[in-house]
Amino acid sequence: AQKVTQAQTEISVVEKEDVTLDCVYETRDTTYYLFWYKQPPSGELVFLIRRNSFDEQNEISGRYSWNFQKSTSSFNFTITASQVVDSAVYFCALKGSGYSTLTFGKGTMLLVSP
Amino acid sequence: SQTIHQWPATLVQPVGSPLSLECTVEGTSNPNLYWYRQAAGRGLQLLFYSVGIGQISSEVPQNLSASRPQDRQFILSSKKLLLSDSGFYLCAYTGEGRRSSGNTIYFGEGSWLTVV
Repeated sequence: AQKVTQAQTEISVVEKEDVTLDCVYETRDTTYYLFWYKQPPSGELVFLIRRNSFDEQNEISGRYSWNFQKSTSSFNFTITASQVVDSAVYFCALKGSGYSTLTFGKGTMLLVSP
Repeated sequence: SQTIHQWPATLVQPVGSPLSLECTVEGTSNPNLYWYRQAAGRGLQLLFYSVGIGQISSEVPQNLSASRPQDRQFILSSKKLLLSDSGFYLCAYTGEGRRSSGNTIYFGEGSWLTVV
């Protein structure tokens, strides 16, 4: 069985603060894939990143960075210098090697105030 | 480029009425297709997925059904809607074809369904 836990239900920050969204996963697969999606108020789920289990290299994309640690089964997402437009619900998701579908966490709502 | 469209964007239907949500994908062939529902509380629930024409897997027994009449078309239906069917419905597809289990799943714009 697969499971994704996003313990933070809601986070509120002031613009320009850094914020980290936590994601912990469980899987018995040795090969698996981790994803982050952003859901703005409009509702559409926007793909942000995919990480393979055999690639633990952290990634940075502009103000976004991802820290993947297999030892702690975590795939955390950090936004540096947050902006109001970052306000959204963020989902972490897991797909095992034999699965065609995603297992989602319950999401973290990020509110960035000016 | 690959795109996904679903419609209608918003729907208000009375209890007991039928439902049809449509989704089409362009720019790719043989995609895996998915229907998800997001009810209040934000959780995403997989309803159906399809790996080919006429091949539908149901994840949750319910009042809904899905069909895939063409390679890039996925339809979500109901003969008689219930109040509990209200929610946000998202269609999704794999971007690179279904050969790799690591393929990214991309989502459509979503359809808001309110059953009254």
